[in-house]
Amino acid sequence: DTAVSQTPKYLVTQMGNDKSIKCEQNLGHDTMYWYKQDSKKFLKIMFSYNNKELIINETVPNRFSPKSPDKAHLNLHINSLELGDSAVYFCASSPPDRRSSYNSPLHFGNGTRLTVT
Amino acid sequence: AQSVTQLDSQVPVFEEAPVELRCNYSSSVSVYLFWYVQYPNQGLQLLLKYLSGSTLVKGINGFEAEFNKSQTSFHLRKPSVHISDTAEYFCAVNGGSNYKLTFGKGTLLTVNP
Repeated sequence: DTAVSQTPKYLVTQMGNDKSIKCEQNLGHDTMYWYKQDSKKFLKIMFSYNNKELIINETVPNRFSPKSPDKAHLNLHINSLELGDSAVYFCASSPPDRRSSYNSPLHFGNGTRLTVT
Repeated sequence: AQSVTQLDSQVPVFEEAPVELRCNYSSSVSVYLFWYVQYPNQGLQLLLKYLSGSTLVKGINGFEAEFNKSQTSFHLRKPSVHISDTAEYFCAVNGGSNYKLTFGKGTLLTVNP
C-alpha cells in the first residue's frame, strides 16, 4: 500500500530519446508535484498540479511536459533528452485544502533515477 | 522571495554524540519551516515542522528543532545519534508561495561507530 509510487525506478536512455515517468498517489491528495534532484542533491520544484490544474511551472525547458489525467496521477514526459537531464526525479503530493497548503507536508515517492547517455 | 541556507554540507559525528544541523532562512513574510530526511535511495520524509506556537518543535526519531525568529534560524538537534541516523537532511521553507516549498542544499549526516 505504497502512498506515492513512481515508475520506473531506473531509466537509462540515449540522448534525443523521448521518455515518460509515471506517478500515482493513493492518499486522496489534491496537489501533486515533480521535483528534480541533481547530482549534488539539490532539490528544485519543476511543476505542481492542484486538482488536475497546473499551478506551478518553474523555469523548465519546454521539452518537459507534465500531464495529470486525474488528481491521483501526475506523469512527466520528456522529449529529446539531453545529458543534463540526468538526475533523480521525485513525485510528491500534499493534502487538500488550499488554506493549509502552506503547512502541508509533502509525501514523496522513492524517485526515478534518469541517466542519459 | 524566500531562500534557505544550510551552513554545513557534511557533518560527521560518532555514535551517541549530540548533533546540530544548522539552517537559516530568509523570507519577506511569515514562514513555515520544515526538516526532511532522505535515506539512501529513498524519497524524503518529514521529520518535523514549525507552523506557529511553541518555538521548540519535536519530531520523529528523537529530533527536535528550535525556531529563532530574530536569528532567522531553524536548527535541528538530536542529543544522541545512532548509526541509523546517517542520511541527508533538508531544511525547507514556505513563506507565502502557495504550494511552493524551497529546499536548502542538504546536510549529509554521517554517524560513525
